[in-house]
Amino acid sequence: GDQVEQSPSALSLHEGTGSALRCNFTTTMRAVQWFQQNSRGSLINLFYLASGTKENGRLKSTFNSKESYSTLHIRDAQLEDSGTYFCAANTEGADRLTFGKGTQLIIQP
Amino acid sequence: AQTIHQWPVAEIKAVGSPLSLGCTIKGKSSPNLYWYWQATGGTLQQLFYSITVGQVESVVQLNLSASRPKDDQFILSTEKLLLSHSGFYLCAWSPDRVRQDTQYFGPGTRLLVL
Repeated sequence: GDQVEQSPSALSLHEGTGSALRCNFTTTMRAVQWFQQNSRGSLINLFYLASGTKENGRLKSTFNSKESYSTLHIRDAQLEDSGTYFCAANTEGADRLTFGKGTQLIIQP
Repeated sequence: AQTIHQWPVAEIKAVGSPLSLGCTIKGKSSPNLYWYWQATGGTLQQLFYSITVGQVESVVQLNLSASRPKDDQFILSTEKLLLSHSGFYLCAWSPDRVRQDTQYFGPGTRLLVL
């Protein structure tokens, strides 16, 4: 089965609101990354976490390796936040980065 | 600052024809390099990685091969394209294999096989 289970698969928010995306891991992961893929296909690095919580502007991410999950919180959503968000993680000692299936986020005016 | 460049930006190719996609990294010596494939509307799948010149490890082959002829260059190729090769190909680099640091992605190459 999938090692990285991402939810929801799609999410629609109104400008100014917020929500959370989540990734559950079926095996122990060493670190997690979150990306935003824009309409051109470019992957924008949002966070890299080996543990704990990081915050950057309106985004905040947490990685709980013991309970095998990571979250990405978006607050005060803006139109430019639209896109597909991916989490990706790797196991200890592995060069393989495994991606979740992505969350398609649509921000409505 | 490091920059990553992929070429071509997009390709339309016939089934059975050869393919070569390139990726170069500037501003970082001895980067770890990776190739990913993304089907339209799908997730990213790691294909190959390389930690040094001349060495490439396969994760998922998909009837493709990869080579690293120079420290800053990673090539993805095949002699015969299949319809299933269509998609978006992304090259990525990371600075430190031991620390398994964050990966940074290039702009990608869109491939349509007809």
